[in-house]
Amino acid sequence: DTGVSQDPRHKITKRGQNVTFRCDPISEHNRLYWYRQTLGQGPEFLTYFQNEAQLEKSRLLSDRFSAERPKGSFSTLEIQRTEQGDSAMYLCASSSLQGARGYTFGSGTRLTVV
Amino acid sequence: RKEVEQDPGPFNVPEGATVAFNCTYSNSASQSFFWYRQDCRKEPKLLMSVYSSGNEDGRFTAQLNRASQYISLLIRDSKLSDSATYLCVVYFNKFYFGSGTKLNVKP
Repeated sequence: DTGVSQDPRHKITKRGQNVTFRCDPISEHNRLYWYRQTLGQGPEFLTYFQNEAQLEKSRLLSDRFSAERPKGSFSTLEIQRTEQGDSAMYLCASSSLQGARGYTFGSGTRLTVV
Repeated sequence: RKEVEQDPGPFNVPEGATVAFNCTYSNSASQSFFWYRQDCRKEPKLLMSVYSSGNEDGRFTAQLNRASQYISLLIRDSKLSDSATYLCVVYFNKFYFGSGTKLNVKP
């Protein structure tokens, strides 16, 4: 296990299209997080899972966004009817239950909506 | 008010300089504290945890003041390779990130 994997690394899409990103966390980590980062800002929390349960969603996560972690392993983040304002780096991270040792991030998916 | 506030910089320093970054956080119940480093267009990576007693890792020293809700990072003898954005991170059920402080170390 080499860490957190995200796919794809880059995605360019036309406004109005749907996109889906995948994250494979470190296998022994119970928690999986999605963050969004725009230029010059720190990562902003979107949602997190503990095993397969989605425990929290940010107000940033509009109804066009949905995330799943069906078997408590990998997760998907889908954005429907993309808008230019959705252009950002989408980061996935995983941690042990308490998260006290910090997150391990994936390399991110850079989304560009044109 | 943001959960975590940082001076965005940039800090432009010569090689060998000592530089200090500060950060404040708003939630007094925060449980854990970290500094992350982020290189341009890369993911953040854990630099070090921060403890009230202060902790050191080579040229890096981190300090936490719970009473003032203040976290610091000191980098001694700066190297060119230290150029990056440094993110202050606070944990309370999930991680809250500052907007980052950009450091440019010049030859």
